[in-house]
Amino acid sequence: NAGVTQTPKFQVLKTGQSMTLQCAQDMNHEYMSWYRQDPGMGLRLIHYSVGAGITDQGEVPNGYNVSRSTTEDFPLRLLSAAPSQTSVYFCASSTRVGRRGTNEKLFFGSGTQLSVL
Amino acid sequence: SQKIEQNSEALNIQEGKTATLTCNYTNYSPAYLQWYRQDPGRGPVFLLLIRENEKEKRKERLKVTFDTTLKQSLFHITASQPADSATYLCALYNQAGTALIFGKGTTLSVSS
Repeated sequence: NAGVTQTPKFQVLKTGQSMTLQCAQDMNHEYMSWYRQDPGMGLRLIHYSVGAGITDQGEVPNGYNVSRSTTEDFPLRLLSAAPSQTSVYFCASSTRVGRRGTNEKLFFGSGTQLSVL
Repeated sequence: SQKIEQNSEALNIQEGKTATLTCNYTNYSPAYLQWYRQDPGRGPVFLLLIRENEKEKRKERLKVTFDTTLKQSLFHITASQPADSATYLCALYNQAGTALIFGKGTTLSVSS
């Protein structure tokens, strides 16, 4: 199993450009999520999905769109990139998250380092 | 909303000593608390989970405690080695169980 695969590993964009960060998992996990990690801010949840066709917002969703058409894939779209979106982005997946008292561990991808000039 | 604090950004210790990292949380009573390790340029990797009714959990040289009265978890690495140098993150789920919330992490440096 490859686990959680993120592409690209590095990306440089100009302000206003759009792009999609790809995330795929081969563990048949129901739950997938996107975090961004900034110095001094830690990991912050952008969007998550508890299954195909179901998505919801996390702590910092503005400027990002997601969709979940299959169990395996959970792409993150930046419609009009801004310098404030310069960050490292991590995709993570897990089983059966979305109920009170959950204890499932997250499996993370290796990250995408994005710079917006 | 839930808040997690790891009160040390950085911790420097000598090889062989015990490293102790602290995680405090507020506004919530989680049933579980998790610890992750993150190496530079990599995603976090799960280490340990402790339940609210467990006072202590061990895995090799790692020990985690969970004090629900103090709302605090301590993470210990005994006989530390330079290879233990990394950032350690504590995390707990929100009440709905839909989001894993992370502390900002403590970066441990073990010198030989």
